[in-house]
Amino acid sequence: SAVISQKPSRDICQRGTSLTIQCQVDSQVTMMFWYRQQPGQSLTLIATANQGSEATYESGFVIDKFPISRPNLTFSTLTVSNMSPEDSSIYLCSVTERLATNEKLFFGSGTQLSVL
Amino acid sequence: GENVEQHPSTLSVQEGDSAVIKCTYSDSASNYFPWYKQELGKRPQLIIDIRSNVGEKKDQRIAVTLNKTAKHFSLHITETQPEDSAVYFCASNAGGTSYGKLTFGQGTILTVHP
Repeated sequence: SAVISQKPSRDICQRGTSLTIQCQVDSQVTMMFWYRQQPGQSLTLIATANQGSEATYESGFVIDKFPISRPNLTFSTLTVSNMSPEDSSIYLCSVTERLATNEKLFFGSGTQLSVL
Repeated sequence: GENVEQHPSTLSVQEGDSAVIKCTYSDSASNYFPWYKQELGKRPQLIIDIRSNVGEKKDQRIAVTLNKTAKHFSLHITETQPEDSAVYFCASNAGGTSYGKLTFGQGTILTVHP
């Protein structure tokens, strides 16, 4: 399967600042997604990163807070804006790949964010 | 929207025993049900999945069953080993249109005692 790398792997940020997370895939993929995993919790879909157009956000997530870029088929960024301690989470980039006859979702290495 | 309930939240077994984790979903349009294993500090890894046109799927010690009528699916791990200890998440694709837009269960912490 594709290798999905994220940078940074972890960061500690101050309240009110913004952090941009990068996701690089070693092959071209059609669909990229961003998920959030709050401490000790499950995974929640933030948005679908669309190549060449605006991201599609899930209920409860807005572009002003989580702007996403997808300039090409191998790269995407997620920015967490005006951070508060409630944004402390693991942010996961993910892609779907077709293996055999079926599409499956694979996750990147994750970015652990702590907001003080 | 889709709601996925997962039980139990914690499960403790002895090495060699079987473990079963159960999930229910609400959206009858869901047609894809993957299971992920997440070890501490690592990314979730897909371990098995099933589509709605299949009732059961096996891969070595792992199996998944699906009951579409009752809207529930289960993960079965046989002959458990200490390295099976992890958090397991079930998921479903609400609306049945995308394999990447998943709703996850709350997770089950599985501990296998040697």
